[in-house]
Amino acid sequence: AQKITQTQPGMFVQEKEAVTLDCTYDTSDPSYGLFWYKQPSSGEMIFLIYQGSYDQQNATEGRYSLNFQKARKSANLVISASQLGDSAMYFCAMREGGDTGRRALTFGSGTRLQVQP
Amino acid sequence: DSGVTQTPKHLITATGQRVTLRCSPRSGDLSVYWYQQSLDQGLQFLIQYYNGEERAKGNILERFSAQQFPDLHSELNLSSLELGDSALYFCASSVESLNTEAFFGQGTRLTVV
Repeated sequence: AQKITQTQPGMFVQEKEAVTLDCTYDTSDPSYGLFWYKQPSSGEMIFLIYQGSYDQQNATEGRYSLNFQKARKSANLVISASQLGDSAMYFCAMREGGDTGRRALTFGSGTRLQVQP
Repeated sequence: DSGVTQTPKHLITATGQRVTLRCSPRSGDLSVYWYQQSLDQGLQFLIQYYNGEERAKGNILERFSAQQFPDLHSELNLSSLELGDSALYFCASSVESLNTEAFFGQGTRLTVV
């Protein structure tokens, strides 16, 4: 079974509008972390935001916020006031805490966001 | 700048050949991860090293191997290369903690012809 599911292969948004990128996850581990990364066309992976499974509040980092719904196992990324520079591929990822030896991130398939002027 | 350095940035080689990709982690990070990003497989975890020891294996082929040296830099060796090995290979490093992000290098784009 997919551990991280991103159901939107591509999204369009108008400049200055908000956009939500969906992410659902699957784990039986009570301790986990959820991450969002941005990959522009240049290829590098840029960390955006983190949410821990025990965090009571939704994470926010500038224009990025994470809509964390634990019961639904979803961790959607909200980008407010979109800018042209936000056009990129966005990946949701999870790190599980049960096996302390393994801290690798499991990634979703990504969502390509295009911001239109 | 993530602080993770990967060399080379680009590599073109022929089928059947062997290549070595190099990664220097961020200062202080003991964990190094290797990922492969291809169009059909997405971002796949290959292998993790922690302070010189192999810690976890993902979808790494037997033709591929890695090691981490005492200075914590890591190398990923790819041998008997096939066309399907063409991909972007990332190295990432992190501290050993659940709630800290992994920092990625710029990647090595491997093209097998």
